[in-house]
Amino acid sequence: NAGVMQNPRHLVRRRGQEARLRCSPMKGHSHVYWYRQLPEEGLKFMVYLQKENIIDESGMPKERFSAEFPKEGPSILRIQQVVRGDSAAYFCASSPGTEPGTQYFGPGTRLTVL
Amino acid sequence: GENVEQHPSTLSVQEGDSAVIKCTYSDSASNYFPWYKQELGKGPQLIIDIRSNVGEKKDQRIAVTLNKTAKHFSLHITETQPEDSAVYFCADDGAGSYQLTFGKGTKLSVIP
Repeated sequence: NAGVMQNPRHLVRRRGQEARLRCSPMKGHSHVYWYRQLPEEGLKFMVYLQKENIIDESGMPKERFSAEFPKEGPSILRIQQVVRGDSAAYFCASSPGTEPGTQYFGPGTRLTVL
Repeated sequence: GENVEQHPSTLSVQEGDSAVIKCTYSDSASNYFPWYKQELGKGPQLIIDIRSNVGEKKDQRIAVTLNKTAKHFSLHITETQPEDSAVYFCADDGAGSYQLTFGKGTKLSVIP
C-alpha cells in the first residue's frame, strides 16, 4: 500500500516563475492537506481539500497561491510569480476522513527560489 | 489549535536512557494530539497519537500522556537507540478542525 506521493522532490525556480507541486494521497483517502515548513520551524497549515472542493484555505496567502484537488488526478499546489521567501519544504498529507485529525504525510517538495 | 509550545528544542541522551518531550496547548477545545518523527530530508512520520478521552497510550518503547486540565501532553521514549535520533513534533487539532497546529520541534540526539 503506497503512502502519500509527492513530486517533484526538489524544485528550483527563478524569481517570477511558477511552481507546481503535486500530491497523490494514500489509496482510499479523499482528504488532502498542504503544509509549509521553513528551516528550523514546525509545519504551518495552508489548505485543506476534498475532491473538487476547497474546505479550508485560511492558512494560504491570498495572492499568488492556489490549490486544487480535481476529480481525477493529484492535488496541485500552485505558486505564481515565486519570490525568495517562498523557499521552503511543502508537505502534503492525506486522511480517510473517518477520524478527525489523523493525517499521513508525504516526503515533501523542497522549493528553492533563486 | 491556537498555539502549541514544545520543550526542549534540543535533547541529547545516552543510548539506553529515556527521553521526555513536553508540549502545552492553549485551545481548550483540542481533542487530538499526535506526535511525529521527522528524519533529515524526509516527511513527518506519525509515531503515536492520543485523543482527549484517554490519559495515556503506549506502543512498545513509546508512550504519550495527556493532562487536559493542565493542557499539556508528553512523549516518553524508553531504552533509546541511535535510530531514534530525529526531530520530533507535537501537534493538536483545535476541536476537530482538521487543521493541525504544530510545535516547533525537538531535535533528539541519542549518543551511542
